[in-house]
Amino acid sequence: QVQVVQSGGEVKRPGASVKVSCKASGYTFTSYGISWVRQAPGQGLEWMGWISAYNGNTKYAEKIQGRVTMTRDTSTSTAYMELRSLRSDDTAVYYCARESEKREPEKMATIFFQHWGQGTLVIVSS
Amino acid sequence: SSELTQDPAVSVALGQTVRITCQGDSLRIYYATWYQQKPGQAPVLVIYGRNNRPSGIPDRFSGSSSGNTASLTITGAQAEDEADYYCNSRDSSDNHVFGTGTKVTVL
Repeated sequence: QVQVVQSGGEVKRPGASVKVSCKASGYTFTSYGISWVRQAPGQGLEWMGWISAYNGNTKYAEKIQGRVTMTRDTSTSTAYMELRSLRSDDTAVYYCARESEKREPEKMATIFFQHWGQGTLVIVSS
Repeated sequence: SSELTQDPAVSVALGQTVRITCQGDSLRIYYATWYQQKPGQAPVLVIYGRNNRPSGIPDRFSGSSSGNTASLTITGAQAEDEADYYCNSRDSSDNHVFGTGTKVTVL
């Protein structure tokens, strides 16, 4: 069965960096992309970006472009998300999610997240 | 606009039907995906594409779409359906966008 397991919670000072890992199992890692989604306390879901596990191509949300880097290691089936220059408003639960695709008539293909990691709480505090 | 707008909260009596809506221009081009999230848990996929349910999601959950509006309907709501629900789609730049979320209370 598909499993996505993330690294543990972190506490960071403002200005520091954090790197969260996301280890996948139960499927061919390079066949699916990984997205990262975060959720600040009491807030909604925010998509951060995507990485192709196949070739490492990335796409980042405009809001955090320049502060985020997503990478992957195909030898360990692990994706990583590094966020730099942390601020207090980066305090959130960070999720990785494996993407799948559904093609149907009438509209563009649907990319959806069927398998989510358990979440990693990152607290940014002085 | 790339925004997806949802009503902040809805309530439904146990066993009754509730419809949650999601509005946005991108929904004319993309089907919405719907996620359920309970407190302290990761989101769970409930509906994707035109009206597809993953294995394990009860058939009381269904999706529909018309113009710039997507809907998630729970027919015969159960106590365990009480949760936050988020729609999701992509925008014109192929970025994912989440809706503002709807809190469903089952009375």
